[in-house]
Amino acid sequence: NAGVTQTPKFQVLKTGQSMTLQCAQDMNHEYMSWYRQDPGMGLRLIHYSVGAGITDQGEVPNGYNVSRSTTEDFPLRLLSAAPSQTSVYFCASRREGGYSPLHFGNGTRLTVT
Amino acid sequence: AQSVTQLGSHVSVSEGALVLLRCNYSSSVPPYLFWYVQYPNQGLQLLLKYTTGATLVKGINGFEAEFKKSETSFHLTKPSAHMSDAAEYFCAVSGGIQGAQKLVFGQGTRLTINP
Repeated sequence: NAGVTQTPKFQVLKTGQSMTLQCAQDMNHEYMSWYRQDPGMGLRLIHYSVGAGITDQGEVPNGYNVSRSTTEDFPLRLLSAAPSQTSVYFCASRREGGYSPLHFGNGTRLTVT
Repeated sequence: AQSVTQLGSHVSVSEGALVLLRCNYSSSVPPYLFWYVQYPNQGLQLLLKYTTGATLVKGINGFEAEFKKSETSFHLTKPSAHMSDAAEYFCAVSGGIQGAQKLVFGQGTRLTINP
C-alpha cells in the first residue's frame, strides 16, 4: 500500500495564480482532510470530508476549495493564490470513528510570491 | 470547542535523560487525545492515543502519556532519550466522538537530543 500520496512535493506560484494540490489514498478511508502547517502555529484544519460527495469547512477554509468525487481522491484548490497561503500542506485520512489515527502524506511545500 | 497548549516550543535533553513534553487541553466534552511525531520532511505519525479506559497510555518507541482529567493534561514522557527521538512532537485533541471530525493540534514542541 502506498498510503497517502500528495503531489507535487514543491510548488512556487505567483500571486493570483490558481493550482490544485492532489491527494490520493489507497486504504479505503472514509475520512480525508487538509491541514496547513506554519511555524509556531502547529497544524490547522482547512477542509475535511467524511465520504464521497460530503465536505465541510475546518478552521481556516478561506481561499481554498475542495470536492470529493471518489473515496480515494481529495484535491485542494487555490483559486487565486496569495502570499499568506505560503505554507506546508498536509493531506491526512483515517477510517471512520474519531479514535482512529490519521495517516498523513509527506506534504506539499507551497511558496506564493 | 477544543484547544491545545503545548508548553515549550523547544526542549533540549541529554541522551539517556528523561524526556517530558507538556500538553494541556481544553474540551467541553470528554476528549480524545493524541500525540504525533514529525521527522524532518515527513508527515506526522501517531505515537499514542487516549480515548477511554486506562489513563496511562503506552505508545511506540518507549513513549507513554498519562491523561489527568483534574489537571486537563496529557504530558508525554520517555525514561531515557535516544538520539533518534529528535523530532517535532504535536499534541492533539478532538471532542470525543461528537467532535471527531475536527482534530485540533497544538503548536508543536521541537525536541533536541544532546550527545
